[in-house]
Amino acid sequence: SQQGEEDPQALSIQEGENATMNCSYKTSINNLQWYRQNSGRGLVHLILIRSNEREKHSGRLRVTLDTSKKSSSLLITASRAADTASYFCAYVASNDYKLSFGAGTTVTVRA
Amino acid sequence: GAVVSQHPSWVICKSGTSVKIECRSLDFQATTMFWYRQFPKQSLMLMATSNEGSKATYEQGVEKDKFLINHASLTLSTLTVTSAHPEDSSFYICSARRSGNPYEQYFGPGTRLTVT
Repeated sequence: SQQGEEDPQALSIQEGENATMNCSYKTSINNLQWYRQNSGRGLVHLILIRSNEREKHSGRLRVTLDTSKKSSSLLITASRAADTASYFCAYVASNDYKLSFGAGTTVTVRA
Repeated sequence: GAVVSQHPSWVICKSGTSVKIECRSLDFQATTMFWYRQFPKQSLMLMATSNEGSKATYEQGVEKDKFLINHASLTLSTLTVTSAHPEDSSFYICSARRSGNPYEQYFGPGTRLTVT
């Protein structure tokens, strides 16, 4: 499955700061999802944004989607040490049902 | 709801042996399950899609004779790594999709396979 690209690859911030990561893809999509993965663990679903949506919020998370630029961003506000993890975007192409994952962004939140 | 379990959570085996990994949907029926592979510090790569009662569909480059997938019931799929070699060492993650909701997948906690 074709992978999306994410940047930055890694991000280190101080507790309380915001963290922003971006995801780009190359095909038409039905929806785009963001997942969190703690080291050596499974994936936790964070948020799903449909292709006809531009922005979505969930607690301290804000996701945007720009289908014209084929990109999405995930913002974590007021970060906490517990937010330290890898974050992956994953999209479902318009004519498909499979998830294609981005390369991931590793976020480290320093206390 | 929508809990997926995997067993075992980690396994060490010797080169040449086979290893079976189970993926179960605990509180829902999963018409489709997916198997992913993740190397250290890398993303998830889809290996195969398995539908209950039918043969799995493998992604390009994945050897179906090496990675045997069986989806015998609506709550259980198994991945057997046959004649394992050190290069098969990886993190294997399954996910399950509920019938009627094609876009959301629920992920298991993963199985760490180490082949010595």
